[in-house]
Amino acid sequence: EAQVTQNPRYLITVTGKKLTVTCSQNMNHEYMSWYRQDPGLGLRQIYYSMNVEVTDKGDVPEGYKVSRKEKRNFPLILESPSPNQTSLYFCASRPFVGATNEKLFFGSGTQLSVL
Amino acid sequence: GIQVEQSPPDLILQEGANSTLRCNFSDSVNNLQWFHQNPWGQLINLFYIPSGTKQNGRLSATTVATERYSLLYISSSQTTDSGVYFCAVGSPSNTGKLIFGQGTTLQVKP
Repeated sequence: EAQVTQNPRYLITVTGKKLTVTCSQNMNHEYMSWYRQDPGLGLRQIYYSMNVEVTDKGDVPEGYKVSRKEKRNFPLILESPSPNQTSLYFCASRPFVGATNEKLFFGSGTQLSVL
Repeated sequence: GIQVEQSPPDLILQEGANSTLRCNFSDSVNNLQWFHQNPWGQLINLFYIPSGTKQNGRLSATTVATERYSLLYISSSQTTDSGVYFCAVGSPSNTGKLIFGQGTTLQVKP
């Protein structure tokens, strides 16, 4: 089944404790991206990657890191989480820019709470 | 950057009614998509529609890129249509970014 898989689904952590949210897709998509969703602020893009070893900042990249060493994986790293990073996080993937159909597929989301 | 406005912000319907959701955007786009976020938080892609009209069952969408708007039509609504509908746009000047509107919250009552 074609899907984007995020783990974990729920995560509670404390300020300053490094964490990684994993994201994997099995559709051979070139493009992957991370979003955060907050009440009243909607979905905002954190980072995106157009292909392996190519990453770029979205609208709210501060406090986050990403890497794209393999096509299928795009982990989100919070080196020193703070309470303002408490949010619902989504990973997404789609075919390369310029493809006939650039439909974006989302993972199930990760609810992160930073205490 | 591109501004995306969705209307109405909230909508309540009786089951069986039809509705039209609107997405206005402030600049040229080469990517426009509609999503449904169900009450469990899942985001489902409904349409990739940078221009033209598409239909999928009871849902259809039309984008008039030259006039900078897109419409999502829901016919014969069902309670399972409840949730939040988002449109998202991307511009030719920055193909990596997809900007989301604030969404339309739809409640369909039985």
